[in-house]
This record gives sequence, C-alpha cells and structure tokens, in this order.
Amino acid sequence: AAGVIQSPRHLIKEKRETATLKCYPIPRHDTVYWYQQGPGQDPQFLISFYEKMQSDKGSIPDRFSAQQFSDYHSELNMSSLELGDSALYFCASSLRTGGNTGELFFGEGSRLTVL
Amino acid sequence: AQSVAQPEDQVNVAEGNPLTVKCTYSVSGNPYLFWYVQYPNRGLQFLLKYITGDNLVKGSYGFEAEFNKSQTSFHLKKPSALVSDSALYFCAVRDPYSSASKIIFGSGTRLSIRP
Repeated sequence: AAGVIQSPRHLIKEKRETATLKCYPIPRHDTVYWYQQGPGQDPQFLISFYEKMQSDKGSIPDRFSAQQFSDYHSELNMSSLELGDSALYFCASSLRTGGNTGELFFGEGSRLTVL
Repeated sequence: AQSVAQPEDQVNVAEGNPLTVKCTYSVSGNPYLFWYVQYPNRGLQFLLKYITGDNLVKGSYGFEAEFNKSQTSFHLKKPSALVSDSALYFCAVRDPYSSASKIIFGSGTRLSIRP
C-alpha cells in the first residue's frame, strides 16, 4: 500500500539559508499535518491543512510557512534557518471525511541539519 | 486543552516477560487515544487506537491497550516481549471536539527488551 512520501530524506543547510520540505500524502487522504521532532523530543505539531486550507496551527515559527496544493501534496518552507531548527520533520496524512477518529499515517521524515 | 503523560522515560523488560508502558491523558469528553512506535531514524508507526466500545483494544505486533476511563489511563501491554519490540513508544490523544483534529503526543517511553 502507498505510504506518505517525504523528500528530501536528509538536508544540510547553513544558518540563515532557506529550505523546502515536500510531502505527498496517501492517495485520497485530504488532510496533511507537519510535525517537528527535535533530538530526544516528542513530535511537536506545527501546522495542518484540510482540502488545501490551513486547518490548525501549532508551534510553527513565523519564519516557516506551508501550503497544500491542488494535488494535495504539501510543502514546508523554512527561511532564516537557525541551529535550533535542526530536527526531524514529519509529515502525516489522514482521511477526515467521516469524522476525526482516524489515525494519522506518518512519513519517514526529513532530517534537517543546520550548520 | 488535551494532554497526555507518559510517566516513565524508560522501561526495561526481559524477553518473554509481559510488558506495560503507561499513559494517562487529560481531555474534555471522550478521548480518541493512540499508540505509536518509532524505531531509530524512522517515522512513527501506528499500533492501535481507542475510539469507543470495548476497553481492551488489540493492535499490531501482538500489542494491546486497555482504556480505563476512571483512571484516565491507556496503558500499552504485551503478554510476552520480544527483543525486536525495543523502540520508542508514544501515546497520543486527539480531542474529539476539535475540528482541527491534530494529534498530541506524550513525551515517549523507550522500551528496552533484553535477551
């Protein structure tokens, strides 16, 4: 079965650079979520989209932005990168139709290292 | 606001023994509860969920969890541990009244199974 696809898997950037992470949800899933997991930390919710509209916002810095496109894939844009942005970034998708009871399906994550 | 607590950072169990990973939650109304497992440098894998119905929920890899409303707990259990169960386990909660439908994770419990 198709899973959530994230790219790139690994990314190395310098401070103050920009980075873009991509996420391709499971086919027919209409909701995408972004999470950030720092070293030894639990995943922190950043932002989510439902049907291409932002549905919720968590602890996403103002330097970050995200959007969901017409094909339901999503991109997380990070600017003015800081050392503290080094983390594993997960995308997850779910099917919202029928209620909010379903589990989230996670991608393998994109590891961002800021030097 | 919903929250979930995992009181143990680490649980150590001998192979073949039963294991329990503890989780308590705080959410208004009836919660949606989940367990996820994370292997090193991998995404989170869904194990099981409680939405409604039978308090004992069975999931992947022989894991099960018991929902206890009076104790607001959702402990993860397995009758006989395997070395391959060694991983990081996250309990998670979803507020059923939140239209945003994001999942909030606990701090994680590292399960170590010794041969």
